Amino acid sequence: DTEVTQTPKHLVMGMTNKKSLKCEQHMGHRAMYWYKQKAKKPPELMFVYSYEKLSINESVPSRFSPECPNSSLLNLHLHALQPEDSALYLCASSQDGIGELFFGEGSRLTVL
Amino acid sequence: SQQGEEDPQALSIQEGENATMNCSYKTSINNLQWYRQNSGRGLVHLILIRSNEREKHSGRLRVTLDTSKKSSSLLITASRAADTASYFCATSNYGQNFVFGPGTRLSVLP
Repeated sequence: DTEVTQTPKHLVMGMTNKKSLKCEQHMGHRAMYWYKQKAKKPPELMFVYSYEKLSINESVPSRFSPECPNSSLLNLHLHALQPEDSALYLCASSQDGIGELFFGEGSRLTVL
Repeated sequence: SQQGEEDPQALSIQEGENATMNCSYKTSINNLQWYRQNSGRGLVHLILIRSNEREKHSGRLRVTLDTSKKSSSLLITASRAADTASYFCATSNYGQNFVFGPGTRLSVLP
């Protein structure tokens, strides 16, 4: 199984809602990532988890809250988002944090 | 800060032609990788080249790395319409942070 699965594929939420994005991999990878991508732009790193511990937080606003319940799962909790947070949110995993990244298909988020 | 910078930003070619994309970066790296992204989809890993390698091939892909110039190039030979996508380089500098360049949008016309 070389897949990274993200749910939901699409999410529309109001600025007062609380929602979560989910990511799952069963490749035994030790590093998991959240990236944010705006249209026609490259992915921008948000968070990195290594061995289930948060190792990198790229100064992301606290309205985004990551969680790694176990080595296969990664969540991104969303609260009080702004319309400018609308983007494609990509989850990725890596065997060792240095080599190839495996990406999910992304969750397209629209904040109204 | 962003490391990789792709050139050109957009490229349009005919099917069967070769496509060359370039990437420049600013600091020392452990490896450089190239990814493809079809519109609105996730990124797919194409090839990884380590800092001690100068050239690598994978099928119709050829990647070169010049660490003295801090640059890399991706060559796609005999392009197909299915190669239409955005291509990103990403650098890893010994940490866990993969930094992506702005990307090249490739259009292969039938």
